[in-house]
Order: sequence, then C-alpha cells, then structure tokens
Amino acid sequence: AQKVTQAQTEISVVEKEDVTLDCVYETRDTTYYLFWYKQPPSGELVFLIRRNSFDEQNEISGRYSWNFQKSTSSFNFTITASQVVDSAVYFCALSEPGEQDNYGQNFVFGPGTRLSVLP
Amino acid sequence: DAGVIQSPRHEVTEMGQEVTLRCKPISGHNSLFWYRQTMMRGLELLIYFNNNVPIDDSGMPEDRFSAKMPNASFSTLKIQPSEPRDSAVYFCASSSLGAARNTIYFGEGSWLTVV
Repeated sequence: AQKVTQAQTEISVVEKEDVTLDCVYETRDTTYYLFWYKQPPSGELVFLIRRNSFDEQNEISGRYSWNFQKSTSSFNFTITASQVVDSAVYFCALSEPGEQDNYGQNFVFGPGTRLSVLP
Repeated sequence: DAGVIQSPRHEVTEMGQEVTLRCKPISGHNSLFWYRQTMMRGLELLIYFNNNVPIDDSGMPEDRFSAKMPNASFSTLKIQPSEPRDSAVYFCASSSLGAARNTIYFGEGSWLTVV
C-alpha cells in the first residue's frame, strides 16, 4: 500500500527565513502523482501543485518551489522569504492509478506539517 | 467558477440529534468525496461516489453515518444519532472522474461540534 510521510510535525521560522517541508512517499507503481495542499488557520484545504512521476523538473511559483527526486522518493516544498500569511498546515499527498473505482482509496494524504511564521 | 460548496459551515448540536451536512461539487466533476478531519486521526476518507454511485463506504465509522448523492450536483452526509466523538471538520471534495492525475478540490469544510 502506498504511504506518505511528513516527518516534521511542526516548524517555526521567523519571517523572511526560507523553510523546506519534507515529504517522503512509498509506492510500487511507476506511474503516480504527487500533490501539495495548504490548510490555513481558516480551515479550508487549498490545492497548491500536482506533479506526475515522469516529470522530475523542479517547479517554481513565486516564493514557492518544489523539488521532486525519484531516487529518494521525496517531493519537498520550499518557501523562500517566508511571510506570516504562509502559516498553515501543509499536506503532501500521493495518488496511484489503480482501478478507477479504487481512486478514492488510492489518494493518500500525509499527516501534515504545521508551519508557523513569526513576525 | 464556484468551488465545492458546503453547508453549514459551523454547527453545534446536542448529542442524539440528527445532523445533515450538504455539499455541491464543482460543476462537471463526477467524483465526490467526504472526508473527516480530527486532531487524532488527521484526514480520513469516509466515502466517495463516482457518477452519483457510492463506490466505497468502508471509511464510514458506523451505521449512524449515511451518505447520499441523489444527483450530480448534490450530496448529503447524515449522522443520526450524533455523538460527541463525531465532533470534527467534515470536508466534501470533488474531482473529474477517478483518474490518478486528477486533483481533488475541497470545500471549506463543515465544523461540527456535538455537545
């Protein structure tokens, strides 16, 4: 069964620091998809990014960047020059193809990392 | 475009009462999911539907929980009778029909407190 590990339960940084959130996954499939979601204090779950297993190029979106390394089964998320508004719980997730009707079970979330950015 | 819409956003109810949570998925999406989030268990998948048909309800905690999707634009999650341990945030989510590449989009959640 697939698995997603986010070893960092909580991280605190001071505003303007860079911070990296770790995500390690386990899967036996060669085709899979990785996601990051953000859950701010208001509670909603916001989709941030999706990557497929065949695309190992790093991605940058503003202050956010993602480093996907199949060799280490990691999909880490870096926030550059963090801001107080980045304070949230961040979830990494893994999706495997499987059967269409297994899609729900095959979408697995990690436990989340709570990031606090202090002013 | 409107995202996943859930109601109520917050509900406080007494133990033993019936609770009904409602969800309108994103238009055009034909997979719908109900998740529950608690501090102890994190995000748990309760049930999901493809094309309005329940595919897997193995995550539903017990018979007190039931979910329906009478049409493509509406789903309910019902708890009857409610208990204090049901207090949690319940998320509805939707995606295009069950493909691994498809992103699941979440509603804002329904915060349930059972006293």
